[in-house]
Amino acid sequence: SQTIHQWPATLVQPVGSPLSLECTVEGTSNPNLYWYRQAAGRGLQLLFYSVGIGQISSEVPQNLSASRPQDRQFILSSKKLLLSDSGFYLCAWRGGNSPLHFGNGTRLTVT
Amino acid sequence: AQTVTQSQPEMSVQEAETVTLSCTYDTSENNYYLFWYKQPPSRQMILVIRQEAYKQQNATENRFSVNFQKAAKSFSLKISDSQLGDTAMYFCAFMRADSSYKLIFGSGTRLLVRP
Repeated sequence: SQTIHQWPATLVQPVGSPLSLECTVEGTSNPNLYWYRQAAGRGLQLLFYSVGIGQISSEVPQNLSASRPQDRQFILSSKKLLLSDSGFYLCAWRGGNSPLHFGNGTRLTVT
Repeated sequence: AQTVTQSQPEMSVQEAETVTLSCTYDTSENNYYLFWYKQPPSRQMILVIRQEAYKQQNATENRFSVNFQKAAKSFSLKISDSQLGDTAMYFCAFMRADSSYKLIFGSGTRLLVRP
């Protein structure tokens, strides 16, 4: 069966520090991969998605970037965090005819 | 661009009763999917139910059912026999049937089931 791993679960970082959130999927090949952000009490905003290795589409211009170095690995990065980057980040995957399946999320607090 | 609107920020229902959550969407596409996701306090996103736009029959999953009105672009979720564990945020979502399969979410409805 397919599983998705996302880490860390919680992260507290100072303003101006770098960020790296990692997401991996097991049990499937060539999945579509997604990064979403959820501000407190709000809906989910799509940040990036990828339909294949090295293929990244950005939905919202911002301080973040994404990379897909391997088929089942998706990384969300920032060189210098802003206070506004605080939020709950969710990774998701989709393969075949399935709906999106989400990881457990990372709660990021920028101080 | 597609948009999803959930006009009810909060709802409450007595345990064992029925509640309906509203969702409308805007699209010019003819082929798409609609979903309801549940987010409990753990913040995990859990798929509740899905509907293919080409299917006229409303989807049903146990106590959860939808009223899909394609012409009106409406996709409401009915929860029957509400249980305390149904307390959560509920998100309506739209997916265009293209290669990206991006999910576009509404702003959510917070549902409280009262004992």
